[in-house]
Amino acid sequence: GENVEQHPSTLSVQEGDSAVIKCTYSDSASNYFPWYKQELGKGPQLIIDIRSNVGEKKDQRIAVTLNKTAKHFSLHITETQPEDSAVYFCAGADGLTFGKGTHLIIQP
Amino acid sequence: SQTIHQWPATLVQPVGSPLSLECTVEGTSNPNLYWYRQAAGRGLQLLFYSVGIGQISSEVPQNLSASRPQDRQFILSSKKLLLSDSGFYLCAWRKRTSGGTGELFFGEGSRLTVL
Repeated sequence: GENVEQHPSTLSVQEGDSAVIKCTYSDSASNYFPWYKQELGKGPQLIIDIRSNVGEKKDQRIAVTLNKTAKHFSLHITETQPEDSAVYFCAGADGLTFGKGTHLIIQP
Repeated sequence: SQTIHQWPATLVQPVGSPLSLECTVEGTSNPNLYWYRQAAGRGLQLLFYSVGIGQISSEVPQNLSASRPQDRQFILSSKKLLLSDSGFYLCAWRKRTSGGTGELFFGEGSRLTVL
């Protein structure tokens, strides 16, 4: 599978602030970029994805941006809330190879 | 709507005992099916995938095996568990028509502790 590297491994932000998680991929032919959210004790769930023909996609407080030149894509969460606390994963273009995850902690 | 069920949710087994985890998908036909393991920490490791009945591909050599006896049933097995088999096992499915990409739908997971 494709190599994807995700940073940071842990991110702590104040409630109401923004959070950004970055994922770097290796295959320049990649054309699909998903982000998953995993709550404690549950399976991951897709929260947003993007295809390579667009540079940004938004869904309410979350957005994904893509930089094909630098081969990275990022998850942006604005106005963070306690329920955003979870582990977030990016995945490679095959949608099967996952990054190591980012533990997002929202501080009250 | 489509649903995915995994069981058991929690399992505590002694070293050397057998294992059987089951996964079924409802509301769709001919899904691609996947087994992942999530060890302590967070990484998701793809163990097996199947594109059809009786068709199993293994991503990593290990103490485990998988079978797909029916279109929407995927089973993860072991004849003799090792301590290192402990972890959180996740079944997932994806539409075969997704063209090699597209959303993965995960089950709720099975937590296995080998003592």
